[in-house]
Parts: sequence; C-alpha cells; structure tokens
Amino acid sequence: DVVMTQSPLSLPVTLGQPASISCRSSQSLAYSDGNTYLNWFQQRPGQSPRRLIYKVSNRDSGVPDRFSGSGSGTDFTLKISRVEAEDVGVYYCMQGTHWPRTFGQGTKVEIK
Amino acid sequence: EVQLVQSGAEVKKPGESLKISCKGTGYSFTNYWITWVRQMPGKGLEWMGIIYPGDSDTRYNPSFQGQVTISADKSINTAYLQWSSLKASDTAMYYCATSIVTRDYWGQGTLVTVSS
Repeated sequence: DVVMTQSPLSLPVTLGQPASISCRSSQSLAYSDGNTYLNWFQQRPGQSPRRLIYKVSNRDSGVPDRFSGSGSGTDFTLKISRVEAEDVGVYYCMQGTHWPRTFGQGTKVEIK
Repeated sequence: EVQLVQSGAEVKKPGESLKISCKGTGYSFTNYWITWVRQMPGKGLEWMGIIYPGDSDTRYNPSFQGQVTISADKSINTAYLQWSSLKASDTAMYYCATSIVTRDYWGQGTLVTVSS
C-alpha cells in the first residue's frame, strides 16, 4: 500500500496567521492519464469529513479561497493563508491514484 | 439537494451479524462511486472499499477484504456495509461518501459498538 506521511501531526496556530501541512507519499501519485490524485480533507470536531482540495490544487465548491494545495510526484502541501476559528479540526491527505486508497495520519490544527 | 443518509447507531455483541446502509438522494445514484470509510475511536480515517452502484463493481482494501461485504441496491438508491461476525475491534464510526464533480458528499456516519 502507498504510505501517506503527514507533518506536523499537531499544529498550533495564531488566528489570522498562515498554516502549512506537508504530505509525502511512498510512491509517485502521478497517474497515466496525466492527473495526480491527491486530495485534502477537513474534519471539524464532531462532524463528518469534507473534501477541501482534489487533484492537488483544485478547491471543492464552497471551500474558502484561503485554502490552497500544491505539489507534485510524492510531495504535497496544504496551506491556509489566514487561519480562522472555524478551521480548527483534523486535516487528512488521501491518495486516489493507487489501490487501495490511503489516508495520511491526520494533522490536528488548533488555535494557540 | 444531494444527500447521503446513513442508518442509525447500532449496539451488537461479538459474533453477531450487521448490515448498515447509506441512501443517496438528489442525484443519479447509479452513476457515482460510493466509498466506505472507518474511523475507530479517537483515530484517523481508513479507506475500506468502494462500489459503483450501476454495475456493483466493488474494490476492497485488502485489510478489510473478507471481513466485510460492500453491496448496493440501485432500485432503492442504497449502499450497504455488512459483517457476518462482528468483533470488538469493529467498534467504530463508519462513513459513506461520494464525489460528484467538484464536490464530495458524506453521510452523517453510523456508530457501531460491539461489546459483550
């Protein structure tokens, strides 16, 4: 299975400041169709997860533009330009290139 | 409005069988894959498997293959996750999810508790 490794696992942030989460995969996530299937999910406390970003850098409908994704191959990043209180939760990367799909361990974002 | 509505919480004993459901409404259920995800208490997300309701094409995570069965009944727009013999280690929240172009949709989750 492809191992997804996130860092950091805990991220205390100040409101209004930027935040960045790294996700590395054990194999390239570039697919033969030219796409790279790397998604980012947010899970707020007590809620179901929701996808924020698909195919590395595409924001899902309704996702604020302070969230952005970048990367290629095996190295990916989720950035929050200015953290807001509603961004508290756990963030997961997930690869959709190889079977079985796999998630990272999760990064807990909290307010300092 | 697209919705995935999951069946309610279950409390079972080890060895019992269980089938939980995920009903899709507001979209063409047969045309989009449904994924099942496990979240054990206080832990992260685990991808269990996926089914295409149109033809019931199913892919399993090898870690779950043989432990659960994923199925779908397209006549009633419902996907299922079932166990023939539950273990205490199956205690978890189970989510179904689907992706439609630029949005994904998740069920509210079904909490399964297995305890003697």
